Amino acid sequence: DAGVTQSPTHLIKTRGQHVTLRCSPISGHKSVSWYQQVLGQGPQFIFQYYEKEERGRGNFPDRFSARQFPNYSSELNVNALLLGDSALYLCASSFRPLNTEAFFGQGTRLTVV
Amino acid sequence: AQSVTQPDIHITVSEGASLELRCNYSYGATPYLFWYVQSPGQGLQLLLKYFSGDTLVQGIKGFEAEFKRSQSSFNLRKPSVHWSDAAEYFCAVVSPSGANNLFFGTGTRLTVIP
Repeated sequence: DAGVTQSPTHLIKTRGQHVTLRCSPISGHKSVSWYQQVLGQGPQFIFQYYEKEERGRGNFPDRFSARQFPNYSSELNVNALLLGDSALYLCASSFRPLNTEAFFGQGTRLTVV
Repeated sequence: AQSVTQPDIHITVSEGASLELRCNYSYGATPYLFWYVQSPGQGLQLLLKYFSGDTLVQGIKGFEAEFKRSQSSFNLRKPSVHWSDAAEYFCAVVSPSGANNLFFGTGTRLTVIP
């Protein structure tokens, strides 16, 4: 069975640009959550989507947005990139909204220069 | 304020030695508790979790954790460490009556020496 897949694995962007990160959850999972992990820190919650509706939002600026598609895959968009957005972006999927059975992807390493 | 504290940033142990990683939480009610492991450049893998019941929880890879309500702690242990255990370990919580998301500690990096 395929696990959570994220694309791309690595990405380099310039300050001010826009980026789109993608996540495909485990088959049958309807919830996707996004986390940002800055080097040396634990992951921080950004968004959760369940059944295509936003179910939670962390303390991130409006430059961050996300959506979930009918096939439950998800995109995370970040506008006007800052150097501080450089991080590993992790996607987690679960069957239910409560992240007690969350499975994580390998992440997308974003570097902003 | 809700928080998860991992007091040890970096721990070094010899292969074959025992290991204990500390985790303390501060929540109004007992949250759901988790330990995750992250190898370099990888995502997170769930080692074990505690929701209720028996306070000693067994996980994968020979790890166990003990929930102590009186100390608001959920420490991770392993009796004999293997070189492949070198990684970053994260304690995390989910509030049983609030947000659905995981809230992580800052992590403990484990180095294993021969």
